[in-house]
Amino acid sequence: GENVEQHPSTLSVQEGDSAVIKCTYSDSASNYFPWYKQELGKRPQLIIDIRSNVGEKKDQRIAVTLNKTAKHFSLHITETQPEDSAVYFCAAQIIQGAQKLVFGQGTRLTINP
Amino acid sequence: NAGVMQNPRHLVRRRGQEARLRCSPMKGHSHVYWYRQLPEEGLKFMVYLQKENIIDESGMPKERFSAEFPKEGPSILRIQQVVRGDSAAYFCASSPSWGRNTEAFFGQGTRLTVV
Repeated sequence: GENVEQHPSTLSVQEGDSAVIKCTYSDSASNYFPWYKQELGKRPQLIIDIRSNVGEKKDQRIAVTLNKTAKHFSLHITETQPEDSAVYFCAAQIIQGAQKLVFGQGTRLTINP
Repeated sequence: NAGVMQNPRHLVRRRGQEARLRCSPMKGHSHVYWYRQLPEEGLKFMVYLQKENIIDESGMPKERFSAEFPKEGPSILRIQQVVRGDSAAYFCASSPSWGRNTEAFFGQGTRLTVV
C-alpha cells in the first residue's frame, strides 16, 4: 500500500525565517496531497492542498510544491511567526477505488522568537 | 454546519472494559475515516467506512476492534477488553464523496485513557 515519509521530524527556526518540510510517497497513482496543521491538544486542520495537475500552489505565507516524477512534495512557510509553531502532517490520497488518506509521521515546528 | 462531532471528548476505562467512540460526520458527508494518534506520534489509519460498508480496514487490529457506520446514526468505533496500550487520541474525519479528491475534515478527537 501507500507509504508516506516525512522529514524532518523536528524543525526549529528563528522567527521571520523560512521553514521547509518534505514528504515522499510511494504510490504513483496518488494525485491529491493535503497538508494539515495540528496545534497542541487540537484537531488536525487542513492548511493547503495540491492536486497532481499543478506543480505549485501558494496561499499567503504558505506554499506547496509537487514533483510527480520524483514522487515528493514540500511545504514552505515564509516569514514564520510564533503562531506557526505546531505539528504539520503531509498526506497522500490513494486512488484504488477508495479514497484513503495516508499521513506522514509529522514534523514538530518550533518558531523561536 | 456543525462540523465533525465526536463524543465523548474524554473517556476513561478500566482494563477489560469496552470503549465506544462516536463520530457524526459533517452534513452531506457519507464517508468516515478513523485514525489513532499516540502521544507525540502521527496519525495512524485504522478504518475507512461508507454508509453501511467497510471500505478499508487494513489499519485496524484484528482482535478487539470493530467499526460501523449504520444507515442512520453516527459511526461507532468499538474497542473490547481495553488494555493500557489502547490509550490514545482517536480522531475521525469525514469527506463528502468517493472517487474524487476532496478534503477530509477532522473531529476534535476522543482521548481514551485506560487505567
